[in-house]
Amino acid sequence: QPVLTQPPSSSASPGESARLTCTLPSDINVGSYNIYWYQQKPGSPPRYLLYYYSDSDKGQGSGVPSRFSGSKDASANTGILLISGLQSEDEADYYCMIWPSNAPVVFGGGTKLTVL
Amino acid sequence: EVQLVESGGGVVQPGGSLRLSCAASGFTFDDYAMHWVRQAPGKGLEWVSLISGDGGSTYYADSVKGRFTISRDNSKNSLYLQMNSLRTEDTALYYCAKERLYSSSNWFDPWGQGTLVTVSS
Repeated sequence: QPVLTQPPSSSASPGESARLTCTLPSDINVGSYNIYWYQQKPGSPPRYLLYYYSDSDKGQGSGVPSRFSGSKDASANTGILLISGLQSEDEADYYCMIWPSNAPVVFGGGTKLTVL
Repeated sequence: EVQLVESGGGVVQPGGSLRLSCAASGFTFDDYAMHWVRQAPGKGLEWVSLISGDGGSTYYADSVKGRFTISRDNSKNSLYLQMNSLRTEDTALYYCAKERLYSSSNWFDPWGQGTLVTVSS
C-alpha cells in the first residue's frame, strides 16, 4: 500500500499563498492519479475540496472558493494544493488522497496549516 | 440537504464487538456506494471499508479484514459496520461518507460527524 507524504506543518500570513504538498512514493507516478484534497477543522469532519488530474481534468467541491486550486509537479512526483489569498478561516488540517485501481484508498498523513 | 448521522460508538473491551450505524437522508441512498473512514485521536485519516450501492460488493482495509463487516439496508437508508475482535488500535472516530463519482473520479462527500469507538480494558 503506497504511502503519501505530507509535511506535518506549514504556515503563511493572511493574504499570502500556501503551497501544500503530497509526495507519492517513487514507484507510483503522480501523473497517473487523481489527487484529492480534504480540509478538516478542529471538531469537524473532513470537507472535500477538489481533485486534480490535469489542467483539463479537475474538479472543485461544491461551495469551495476558487482560491483553492490543485496542480502537480511531475519532477517531484508530487501533488500540490495551492491556497491563494489566505484567510484566517483557512487554518485547518489538509489531507491528500489517492485511489489506485483495484487497491484501497490511501490518505496522506495530513498537514496542519497555520495562518499567522 | 444530504445528511449522514453515525451512532453506535462507545467503550468496549479488547476482543469485544460493536455495531456502528449511519442513517442517511437527502439523497437516493441505493444509488451510491458508501464508505467508513476512521481517525484515531490526534491522527490522520484511514479508510476502512466500502460497500456498493446494491450491497453486492464490499472491500476492506487489510487492518480490519476478517474482523469487520460492512452492510447496508437500502429500505432503511442505513449503513452499518459490525466490528468484532476489537483491538486497542481500533480506537478512533468512525465516519461514514458518501461516495461521489464523476467520470473517472471518486471522492467522499459529504462525511458524517462521526461516532467514537474506544477499545480499552
